[in-house]
Amino acid sequence: NAGVTQTPKFQVLKTGQSMTLQCAQDMNHEYMSWYRQDPGMGLRLIHYSVGAGITDQGEVPNGYNVSRSTTEDFPLRLLSAAPSQTSVYFCASSYRQGVRTEAFFGQGTRLTVV
Amino acid sequence: KQEVTQIPAALSVPEGENLVLNCSFTDSAIYNLQWFRQDPGKGLTSLLLIQSSQREQTSGRLNASLDKSSGRSTLYIAASQPGDSATYLCAVEEGGFKTIFGAGTRLFVKA
Repeated sequence: NAGVTQTPKFQVLKTGQSMTLQCAQDMNHEYMSWYRQDPGMGLRLIHYSVGAGITDQGEVPNGYNVSRSTTEDFPLRLLSAAPSQTSVYFCASSYRQGVRTEAFFGQGTRLTVV
Repeated sequence: KQEVTQIPAALSVPEGENLVLNCSFTDSAIYNLQWFRQDPGKGLTSLLLIQSSQREQTSGRLNASLDKSSGRSTLYIAASQPGDSATYLCAVEEGGFKTIFGAGTRLFVKA
């Protein structure tokens, strides 16, 4: 019963490096999203997807790319890492059944950019 | 632009107290409101989900209310315990699955 799986759990990058944060869900949910959490600021939406092949920008999309080629996977790419991208990143998936929607979160990826 | 505010930012109470956490949002056109719990260094766990047509939801010692017209929700925790210590996050879904979070309330329950 995996739910939402994020890898890696921890990562240190040098400024200018690129990397991909992985997110996979096994619940066949349509909707997936990426958030970053900074101290005292709650979670801010980076990008989201309402289904395979469909993505859209959230509140803070600059410096990040996403794609959704399958229902299960929603990777987040940092194109050229900057210290301002040091944060904890959470992936979430949601389902809607009638009028009910519920979100499930991964355990997070703690990223440090030096 | 939807903004979600949680008050207080931090709260410390003795064990056994009943307490209320507040959440307000600026745009009442929401699809639902969800309360989450987050333990240090961990992900988010869903506590209660209130659809826009509902007024409240209950789960054990937790009760969440929603007043959509005034843009407010409260999370009531009865008979608090040290194990309730965590950060509590409020999130509103605007429709199209776009969800906006508040900054959270850090709760510490003293034994």
